[in-house]
Amino acid sequence: QVQLQESGPGLVKPSQTLSLTCTVSGGSISSGSYYWNWIRQPAGKGLEWIGRISTSGSTNYHPSLKSRVTISVDRTKDQFSLKLSSVTAADTAMYFCARWSTGVGTFDPWGQGTLVTVSS
Amino acid sequence: QSALTQPPSASGSPGQSVTISCTGTSSDVGGYNYVSWYQQHPGKAPKLMIYEVNKRPSGVPDRFSGSKSGNTASLTVSGLQAEDEADYYCSSYAGSNNFVVFGGGTKLTVL
Repeated sequence: QVQLQESGPGLVKPSQTLSLTCTVSGGSISSGSYYWNWIRQPAGKGLEWIGRISTSGSTNYHPSLKSRVTISVDRTKDQFSLKLSSVTAADTAMYFCARWSTGVGTFDPWGQGTLVTVSS
Repeated sequence: QSALTQPPSASGSPGQSVTISCTGTSSDVGGYNYVSWYQQHPGKAPKLMIYEVNKRPSGVPDRFSGSKSGNTASLTVSGLQAEDEADYYCSSYAGSNNFVVFGGGTKLTVL
C-alpha cells in the first residue's frame, strides 16, 4: 500500500527557509483523485493544515501561512515538497505529509512526521 | 484557537463508553458529511478511525462509532480498552477556500 516519508533538515535558523520533501512509495503520486498535503503539529498542541497540491499541480494554502508557503511536486520522483520562508520559533513543530482522498474526505495515509526546530 | 471545538479531556474505565464532541459551524461540520476522526498515540502519526461521519476503515474495531447532529459531530468509543488511551482529533471539510479544519484534540484517558 501507499506509504509516505518526510525528509529534510531538523534545524533551521530564524528568518531562513524551511524545506521538506515527502516521498511517496507503493504507488504513483500522479494516479487517482488525491491531494498531497502538509500538516504540522507544535509540541503538545493540535494539528494545523498547511497546504495541498493536486496531481495536476494546483495548490491551496492555509490563509495564515499563504504568504510564506510554497508546495511543489516532482512527478518523476513521486515526491512533493514544502518551503516555508521567514521562519520563526513559532514554526517549530512536527511536520507531517498526508494524502487527501477526494472521494471520502480523509487524510490517509500519513507520513511518520519529522521534527523541525527553528533556532539559532 | 482551533476552528472546531473539542473538550480537552475525556476519561472512562475499561469496558465503559465515552463520547467526544466536535463542534463547528454550518460552513464545516454542519455543511458537509466529510467529518473524520483521527487517533494519535504519543510520538506517532495520526491514524484514521472514522470517515464520512460514521464509517470505519478496514481494521478499525467496531467499538468506534461516529455520528453528527447539526454542527456537532461525535465519536463514541464503547468497551474502552487500555490501548484506546490516546489523543483524538476531529476534522471537517470546509469548502474549497478553507479546505479542512481540525479540532484542538481530546486526550482520552482510560482509568
